[in-house]
Amino acid sequence: EIVLTQSPGTLSLSPGERATLSCRASQSVSSSSLVWYQHKAGQAPRLLIYGASSRATGIPDRFSGSGSGTDFTLTISRLEPEDFAVYYCQQYGSSPPWTFGQGTKVEIK
Amino acid sequence: EVQLVESGGGLVQPGGSLRLSCGASGFTFRSYGMNWVRQAPGKGLEWISFISSSSSTIYYADSVKGRFTISRDNAKNSLYLQMNSLRAEDTAVYYCARARDSDYWGQGTLVTVSS
Repeated sequence: EIVLTQSPGTLSLSPGERATLSCRASQSVSSSSLVWYQHKAGQAPRLLIYGASSRATGIPDRFSGSGSGTDFTLTISRLEPEDFAVYYCQQYGSSPPWTFGQGTKVEIK
Repeated sequence: EVQLVESGGGLVQPGGSLRLSCGASGFTFRSYGMNWVRQAPGKGLEWISFISSSSSTIYYADSVKGRFTISRDNAKNSLYLQMNSLRAEDTAVYYCARARDSDYWGQGTLVTVSS
């Protein structure tokens, strides 16, 4: 099983600041099978990034993804009030289980 | 507009069974694989099962293998999760999501396993 470890657990930032979230895999993950989601309490999760670096439909360009192999990053260039949420990375490679990271909470400082 | 609507959640006793449904609209359901993902109270997201568009490929997480069964009816645009031998640790909000990369999600249905 591929374990995804996200860091930090919580990120305390102010609107307008840059957020950098890390997702590290216990073994190499195909970039085509690495995604990022945003999740707000009481709402459905929302796909932000697929294929490690491609923005999903309707996602603002302040969200960007990068990385390969075992290290992946989600960057929010300038935090908007609506961006404060929990963010998850997930891999869905050829061999299940398809695992999620434990999440990074981005909170208002 | 893509819509996924889960139903069938509720309170069930340990050892009991429940069948969740997910109704799909706004896209060609028979062309997409589907996932079930859950979130226990205060915890993160957990992938639990995938079914391909034709039902030819099915995967389960170890935590539910042998107890849960995923299925679909393409004629009814519906996805199902039969949950047997339920345990307290199965208490969660259950989401259905479209495709391997889960590009669209439903709002979820709450399953509570308690005596």
